[in-house]
Amino acid sequence: GAVVSQHPSRVICKSGTSVKIECRSLDFQATTMFWYRQFPKKSLMLMATSNEGSKATYEQGVEKDKFLINHASLTLSTLTVTSAHPEDSSFYICSASQITNEKLFFGSGTQLSVL
Amino acid sequence: QQQVKQSPQSLIVQKGGISIINCAYENTAFDYFPWYQQFPGKGPALLIAIRPDVSEKKEGRFTISFNKSAKQFSLHIMDSQPGDSATYFCAASSRGSGYALNFGKGTSLLVTP
Repeated sequence: GAVVSQHPSRVICKSGTSVKIECRSLDFQATTMFWYRQFPKKSLMLMATSNEGSKATYEQGVEKDKFLINHASLTLSTLTVTSAHPEDSSFYICSASQITNEKLFFGSGTQLSVL
Repeated sequence: QQQVKQSPQSLIVQKGGISIINCAYENTAFDYFPWYQQFPGKGPALLIAIRPDVSEKKEGRFTISFNKSAKQFSLHIMDSQPGDSATYFCAASSRGSGYALNFGKGTSLLVTP
């Protein structure tokens, strides 16, 4: 299957700082990438849909000014958690699909811990 | 609102047994139904998927059964192995929503030796 690389895998930061998470499709072009959030032993909740070259579409209840998404190329999307607070601590996972293909491949996730 | 309902929440199966996980949906616009396997601290991995124009799909030990009229689908894991112990998520998506996945709540499967 297609490979989606996500970095970093784990990050610890102080409250008030910003953290950037990268998501790359390594062997295919992804016009659409999705960002999910997952709490321990819970399901994945869609945060936003990222389309290459256009503004991301955020799900209801997700603060677009806190979770900045950039999808500048067909192989890279970034999620920046701005002014992080302890309640932002979570497992963030990106996914990507090949052009006109419904199959979604996921990155390995980023565990964010805000102290 | 959970668009895909999954059961059971947890499941214990003996090695060699059959694991069965069920899901149900309401949105008839859904046209793609994948199953994902997730190990702790890792992202979900696509196991198998089905479209509503077929009633069953088999890949190795994994089989999806799909009942379009009942809006239900299930995952069967034959000859379950301890290495299958993981959390399984069903999901559904549609072309109209750009194939953004709607996940079930997950099933924690434990296969005992």
